[in-house]
Amino acid sequence: EIVLTQSPGTLSLSPGDRATLSCRASQSVSSYLAWYQQKPGQAPRLLIYDASNRATGIPARFSGSGSGTDFTLTISSLEPEDFAVYYCQQCRNWPLTFGGGTKVEIK
Amino acid sequence: QMQLVESGGGVVQPGRSLRLSCAASGFTISIYAMHWVRQAPGKGLEWVSFISYDGSNKYFADSVKGRFTISRDNSKNTLYLQMDSLRAEDSAVYYCASVYGSGSHNWFDPWGQGTLVTVSS
Repeated sequence: EIVLTQSPGTLSLSPGDRATLSCRASQSVSSYLAWYQQKPGQAPRLLIYDASNRATGIPARFSGSGSGTDFTLTISSLEPEDFAVYYCQQCRNWPLTFGGGTKVEIK
Repeated sequence: QMQLVESGGGVVQPGRSLRLSCAASGFTISIYAMHWVRQAPGKGLEWVSFISYDGSNKYFADSVKGRFTISRDNSKNTLYLQMDSLRAEDSAVYYCASVYGSGSHNWFDPWGQGTLVTVSS
């Protein structure tokens, strides 16, 4: 099973700040990595797929990068609605796995 | 608008069974692979099961293998999850999700709103 480790666990930032979230895989997943955003009481929403492609309707302030084992989600300038929990997910191998999540909270 | 709506959750005793449904609207699921993902209260996301567009391929997480069954009725535009021999650790919000876009890879979008399953005596 591929283990995804996200860091940091919590990121305390202010609106307008740049957020950098990390996801590290226990073995190479090539570019088969996605990022999701989840707000309290809501289902997750797909942000980024294939490591760097924005899903339909996702603002340009969200970007993804990386390949192999190290990946980054960057939010260039945090909007109030961006404070949420973010998960990475791999589909390189079965079983599909998620990272433990990074909570982006208001400082 | 593509929408998924889960139903069938509730409180059930350990060892009993429950069947979840996921009804799609705004699109036909017959061309999409589908998944179930769960989230225990206050915890992260856990992938549970996959079914190919025609039902010919199925995968399960080790934690549910042999106890859960996934199926679909494309004529009813509905996905199912049969959960048998339920355990306390199966308590979670269960989400159904379609594969995104062309479905070439297993990215999840859209998601349903989730249905809560509580396993307790």
